Amino acid sequence: DQQVKQNSPSLSVQEGRISILNCDYTNSMFDYFLWYKKYPAEGPTFLISISSIKDKNEDGRFTVFLNKSAKHLSLHIVPSQPGDSAVYFCAAREYGNKLVFGAGTILRVKS
Amino acid sequence: DAMVIQNPRYQVTQFGKPVTLSCSQTLNHNVMYWYQQKSSQAPKLLFHYYDKDFNNEADTPDNFQSRRPNTSFCFLDIRSPGLGDAAMYLCATSRDPGQRGLPRSGETQYFGPGTRLLVL
Repeated sequence: DQQVKQNSPSLSVQEGRISILNCDYTNSMFDYFLWYKKYPAEGPTFLISISSIKDKNEDGRFTVFLNKSAKHLSLHIVPSQPGDSAVYFCAAREYGNKLVFGAGTILRVKS
Repeated sequence: DAMVIQNPRYQVTQFGKPVTLSCSQTLNHNVMYWYQQKSSQAPKLLFHYYDKDFNNEADTPDNFQSRRPNTSFCFLDIRSPGLGDAAMYLCATSRDPGQRGLPRSGETQYFGPGTRLLVL
């Protein structure tokens, strides 16, 4: 049973526009949510996170929004750049530092 | 640069022939994780080490074992690989958030590039 779901396997966006990647979760005990970015032939790298007690966290072009009542979070990238093309994984933290991952969304930014 | 290293990057083994994947880190992190990721699926945690304490996930098959001889190295042993064990295996490390209270930003995990295992 998937506790973290990324329902869009892929997303294509024009350079300069906004990219919105979505993630849903089922476990209300998750206390942190993270986004990881993965390029081909590399491991996932941490991008941005948000605590469950917040609803927004911003870092440069990247903003993560959390809607706890809907058990939904989203990653906004604006403006999108070709170098942002990668697989984006949503992850949620359980007790300790165990992470539960979604299946990922492939983002393609077209120039 | 501090990093997580996985060798080899590609491993081919035969059905039923034991295989070992290795992971090393220069981050001096006390927690190390092994994930299995099959095509188009989420990385799935197999087990993790908290220093020398081994923590197995409930649904990790007995076919998968792990060793951590010291802080820097961790091994994944697959005793009798089946065709269904073909996957990307990711190693990750982190500090222990519990030692310093709640982390400011969510204690993150640092991943190696992975080893892709092919079972013939």
